[in-house]
Amino acid sequence: NAGVMQNPRHLVRRRGQEARLRCSPMKGHSHVYWYRQLPEEGLKFMVYLQKENIIDESGMPKERFSAEFPKEGPSILRIQQVVRGDSAAYFCASSPSSGLNNQPQHFGDGTRLSIL
Amino acid sequence: GENVEQHPSTLSVQEGDSAVIKCTYSDSASNYFPWYKQELGKGPQLIIDIRSNVGEKKDQRIAVTLNKTAKHFSLHITETQPEDSAVYFCAANHGKQAGTALIFGKGTTLSVSS
Repeated sequence: NAGVMQNPRHLVRRRGQEARLRCSPMKGHSHVYWYRQLPEEGLKFMVYLQKENIIDESGMPKERFSAEFPKEGPSILRIQQVVRGDSAAYFCASSPSSGLNNQPQHFGDGTRLSIL
Repeated sequence: GENVEQHPSTLSVQEGDSAVIKCTYSDSASNYFPWYKQELGKGPQLIIDIRSNVGEKKDQRIAVTLNKTAKHFSLHITETQPEDSAVYFCAANHGKQAGTALIFGKGTTLSVSS
């Protein structure tokens, strides 16, 4: 009964490179959420996706960041032309459904992104 | 924008004592309030949640209370143990978009000494 799987656990990039973070939701979950956590801060919502659809991207920076959740395979958070300020822990969560029932979100162990 | 305030930022207790963490939220439409425990190098782990149709919920040594009028909810841990040491986060859902984004507090670092 695997939980939310994120990889890589650690990722180092130089300024200007691209970062790709992957998230496989829990079995049976079709909703994925991405959050960013800065040191000693709470988590900040970035984007909410269902299969092949972006439902809410109100927390995503307007430039350089994109997310997808294809019909097959993991959800991907992509950061182009990374800058030092992108250094953070990125967490993915999944839930079985949303709507008015507010199903609990279960988190992976995150990807720690470091920009040199 | 919508906001969740959490206090205290750090809390030190002796083993066996109780610990209380308090949060307030600003979005009157929020109706779901989870609590997460995060250990070093790990992701947040859901420990308990409460919905706005109840005022209190208990699970063994952990309880959560909700006061919708005051927009206030609290986590209570009784008989604390060293393994309870971690960072605890409260959160509230973005009420206008039910079931989607969670707004998190900044966390409370709980230290339980034996």
